[in-house]
Amino acid sequence: DSGVTQTPKHLITATGQRVTLRCSPRSGDLSVYWYQQSLDQGLQFLIHYYNGEERAKGNILERFSAQQFPDLHSELNLSSLELGDSALYFCASSVFSGADTQYFGPGTRLTVL
Amino acid sequence: QKEVEQDPGPLSVPEGAIVSLNCTYSNSAFQYFMWYRQYSRKGPELLMYTYSSGNKEDGRFTAQVDKSSKYISLFIRDSQPSDSATYLCAMSAVRNAGNMLTFGGGTRLMVKP
Repeated sequence: DSGVTQTPKHLITATGQRVTLRCSPRSGDLSVYWYQQSLDQGLQFLIHYYNGEERAKGNILERFSAQQFPDLHSELNLSSLELGDSALYFCASSVFSGADTQYFGPGTRLTVL
Repeated sequence: QKEVEQDPGPLSVPEGAIVSLNCTYSNSAFQYFMWYRQYSRKGPELLMYTYSSGNKEDGRFTAQVDKSSKYISLFIRDSQPSDSATYLCAMSAVRNAGNMLTFGGGTRLMVKP
């Protein structure tokens, strides 16, 4: 158990809908990262927040957004969902913002029908 | 061409064998190198973290980095059936703000009793 929690574990929804994935980092960690894992693209970085501020963006679609709250938990919002958004979404956390070991949560499996 | 290349396998070995897993990369800015283990439908678990070139050993695991060749390896000694998983290499560069990991596609390892 890495200490990173994610909810829900599974999410099944329809195309065009909007969902919110939640992540709580390890105690003491200030950074939260979101990754998407699909069969064809592998594990891909989406976005990084440090102490409430966005620090880095990867190949994140405009339909996706995230935020980190004062209690350091983070939410990833996915809207206008498409079939291709079906994937595992992982949250990771680390203590600092720079080159630092990242610990991954158990993931949320999103299925878009 | 992907920044990080990893043979997808599957790699099948008998119990007790020495396993060698490898990644090559093209971005010379990468300075931090990690190996993660991922069991089916679980979050990636950090195994090894190394900085720059050299070797690092932890129990049955040894990580090697050769920056001149842009090549990293993970060796597993006395492999066990419980080592059966997908192994992901990951890398990051020093950044002023923000930290993203770039992953290889993963190698699936099967250790047969």
